[in-house]
Amino acid sequence: NAGVTQTPKFRVLKTGQSMTLLCAQDMNHEYMYWYRQDPGMGLRLIHYSVGEGTTAKGEVPDGYNVSRLKKQNFLLGLESAAPSQTSVYFCASSYDPATDTQYFGPGTRLTVL
Amino acid sequence: GENVEQHPSTLSVQEGDSAVIKCTYSDSASNYFPWYKQELGKGPQLIIDIRSNVGEKKDQRIAVTLNKTAKHFSLHITETQPEDSAVYFCAAKKTNFGNEKLTFGTGTRLTIIP
Repeated sequence: NAGVTQTPKFRVLKTGQSMTLLCAQDMNHEYMYWYRQDPGMGLRLIHYSVGEGTTAKGEVPDGYNVSRLKKQNFLLGLESAAPSQTSVYFCASSYDPATDTQYFGPGTRLTVL
Repeated sequence: GENVEQHPSTLSVQEGDSAVIKCTYSDSASNYFPWYKQELGKGPQLIIDIRSNVGEKKDQRIAVTLNKTAKHFSLHITETQPEDSAVYFCAAKKTNFGNEKLTFGTGTRLTIIP
């Protein structure tokens, strides 16, 4: 099993450009998450999904959209990138809704100029 | 909502010594406390977790203790080795509440000095 994979690994955008980050998991997990990680601020939840076709807002959803058209994929979109969105983005998945033990991908480093 | 504070933000210890990282949580209903290790350039990985019905859990050189009364829990690493160098995150969750998510601490960068 590959676990959780993320593409791309690195990306540089100009302010106002758009892009989509792809997360894929092969563990048949129902729950999927997008986090951003900034220095000194830990992991902050952007959006999450409790199953195919569902999405919900997390702690810092503004400026991002998500879609979960297939159970194994969770897409994070930036419609008009801003420098404040420069961060490392992590996707995670979980099978246990009680403990919510999460399995993380390797991350995407995004720089917005 | 839940608030998790983690200390220290950085920690350096000599190889072979012990390291302790502490977290406090605000919501007394939280009952699940995992710890994640993040190596450079990688995503966080679960290393140990504890539920509120036990006070301590060990797995080889790592252990976690929980004090429900004081609402704090700690990660203990004994006989530290260079491969223990990483960023460690604590987290807390209420497992009895379906919509609640994991709340993470801000992380501790642990450096093992050879």
